[in-house]
Amino acid sequence: QQPVQSPQAVILREGEDAVINCSSSKALYSVHWYRQKHGEAPVFLMILLKGGEQKGHEKISASFNEKKQQSSLYLTASQLSYSGTYFCGTEISSNTGKLIFGQGTTLQVKP
Amino acid sequence: EAGVAQSPRYKIIEKRQSVAFWCNPISGHATLYWYQQILGQGPKLLIQFQNNGVVDDSQLPKDRFSAERLKGVDSTLKIQPAKLEDSAVYLCASSLFQGANSEQYFGPGTRLTVT
Repeated sequence: QQPVQSPQAVILREGEDAVINCSSSKALYSVHWYRQKHGEAPVFLMILLKGGEQKGHEKISASFNEKKQQSSLYLTASQLSYSGTYFCGTEISSNTGKLIFGQGTTLQVKP
Repeated sequence: EAGVAQSPRYKIIEKRQSVAFWCNPISGHATLYWYQQILGQGPKLLIQFQNNGVVDDSQLPKDRFSAERLKGVDSTLKIQPAKLEDSAVYLCASSLFQGANSEQYFGPGTRLTVT
């Protein structure tokens, strides 16, 4: 049931773009994205709901393909502060808030 | 607005000992979650409360783990007796309501080392 994230790790230069993917074998009700810096708590980035509704930070964009049970997080014009581990959390039971998190994608942005 | 508070931040115990973690969610948040995060992995949900009732504890090892949320505010998670494989960061999170459209706010976590 755990979603699969890809890539596992990515290294970028400042200003470059990246895409992080999250794929589930189960039908999804929603997908949540979080970023965690080393030794810190995960921080909310975005929620994508079945039916197209989205909620999150203005500078973050993401997509949710309900038919393919996949979500992608788009990081454009990356900054040093984008470095961290990105987790997708998938909700397979309707509207419970119960999330199953992927294994994470580590992003390193270099000057 | 104050965030989710957790204590202690660090704990080292020997196997077979007991340990307790405390969490104070954001004021007004009805839903509280306890997660276990093993190094290099994503958070794994242990238990979810809605006010003071348990919504989901399907992944809580009930032979050694217990949790309560008295009065629907603070919560404690206990491990008794601890095993080496319990070494992890225990994260508490809260959300305004139970549902897909409610983001979760995480506390700083308690790093448990079992020796």
